[in-house]
Amino acid sequence: GAVVSQHPSWVICKSGTSVKIECRSLDFQATTMFWYRQFPKQSLMLMATSNEGSKATYEQGVEKDKFLINHASLTLSTLTVTSAHPEDSSFYICSARGVTHTLTFFGQGTRLTVV
Amino acid sequence: QKEVEQNSGPLSVPEGAIASLNCTYSDRVSQSFFWYRQYSGKSPELIMSIYSNGDKEDGRFTAQLNKASQYVSLLIRDSQPSDSATYLCAVTLAGGTSYGKLTFGQGTILTVHP
Repeated sequence: GAVVSQHPSWVICKSGTSVKIECRSLDFQATTMFWYRQFPKQSLMLMATSNEGSKATYEQGVEKDKFLINHASLTLSTLTVTSAHPEDSSFYICSARGVTHTLTFFGQGTRLTVV
Repeated sequence: QKEVEQNSGPLSVPEGAIASLNCTYSDRVSQSFFWYRQYSGKSPELIMSIYSNGDKEDGRFTAQLNKASQYVSLLIRDSQPSDSATYLCAVTLAGGTSYGKLTFGQGTILTVHP
């Protein structure tokens, strides 16, 4: 299967700072990338969908000014959590799909802890 | 009503038994159905995908889909302790730029005891 690499695997940051998470498709061109968030003992909840070269589409209740998503190339999407607070602590997971794919492929996830 | 519902469990089965996981979905236009396995602290791992009514078998895993009943199930034969994980049911709509956008159930925790 196709490979999606997410970086970093974990990050600890201070409250009020910003954190950037990268999601890269290593062996295919990802026309669409998805960002999910998973709180402890809960399921994955979609935050936003990004298509290369266009603005991300955010799910209801997700603050687009707080969670900045950039999908500037066909192999890279970034999620920036701005002015992070402890309640933003979560497991963030990206997935990617190429134009010829019927499946999406998940990154390894990023554990964010805001202290 | 949740879009995708699973029994949260936990489901406990002895080693070697069959584990049966169930999922219902509310959107009749859902076209693609997936079962993922997620170990604690890890990203979901695709186990099975199914797109048409009936059964699909892959090794010890069998997925069953009944679109009329809006029901998807996963059977795990000869369960092993290494199968202990959270199993996530996910559905997606077909076509369009949002294809691949997955809606997940809450997950069923499976424990296989020796």
